[in-house]
Amino acid sequence: AQSVTQLDSHVSVSEGTPVLLRCNYSSSYSPSLFWYVQHPNKGLQLLLKYTSAATLVKGINGFEAEFKKSETSFHLTKPSAHMSDAAEYFCVVSDTNAGKSTFGDGTTLTVKP
Amino acid sequence: SQTIHQWPATLVQPVGSPLSLECTVEGTSNPNLYWYRQAAGRGLQLLFYSIGIDQISSEVPQNLSASRPQDRQFILSSKKLLLSDSGFYLCAWSVLARPATQYFGPGTRLLVL
Repeated sequence: AQSVTQLDSHVSVSEGTPVLLRCNYSSSYSPSLFWYVQHPNKGLQLLLKYTSAATLVKGINGFEAEFKKSETSFHLTKPSAHMSDAAEYFCVVSDTNAGKSTFGDGTTLTVKP
Repeated sequence: SQTIHQWPATLVQPVGSPLSLECTVEGTSNPNLYWYRQAAGRGLQLLFYSIGIDQISSEVPQNLSASRPQDRQFILSSKKLLLSDSGFYLCAWSVLARPATQYFGPGTRLLVL
């Protein structure tokens, strides 16, 4: 069985300040982990993925995530928020080759000018 | 490159009317296909997934059905819509590989009145 918990339903930051979106997971196997972003009324876009290689994963638009097995966490960070980062972010865990994934409930990121 | 299409983009339907949403994928063969529903302000719920033509698994009991008449075509249907069927419907595809990254279509906004 697998599950994912996004610890914050809403995060608000000022433009130019760091972003931290938290995600904890549980999985019976070595998981694959993903972060997706969704802008209003749009589909989901892949930000980055963890594939059991480097624990620090770099994604698009300056986002990074670090896989910490001891903490079962995969938090998403960005050094400096931009107004265009305002969106919904989903953490996803998958531990099957069939591609069935479990999505977190999402975190809404607001960026204030 | 691979692309995924969904139509219509938006749909307003009366309660009790039928539904047909279509999803097609280009640029890949034998993909895994998925239908998700996203209710307002909530995460994604997996409705159906398919690993091949006429091979479909239902994740939750509901008023909807899915079909895969061709390798890269996935259809979501209902004979009689309920108010609770309103939401944002997303189609996704992946290949049978690890990690099983899913790629999402632009979505269909369904409002049942």
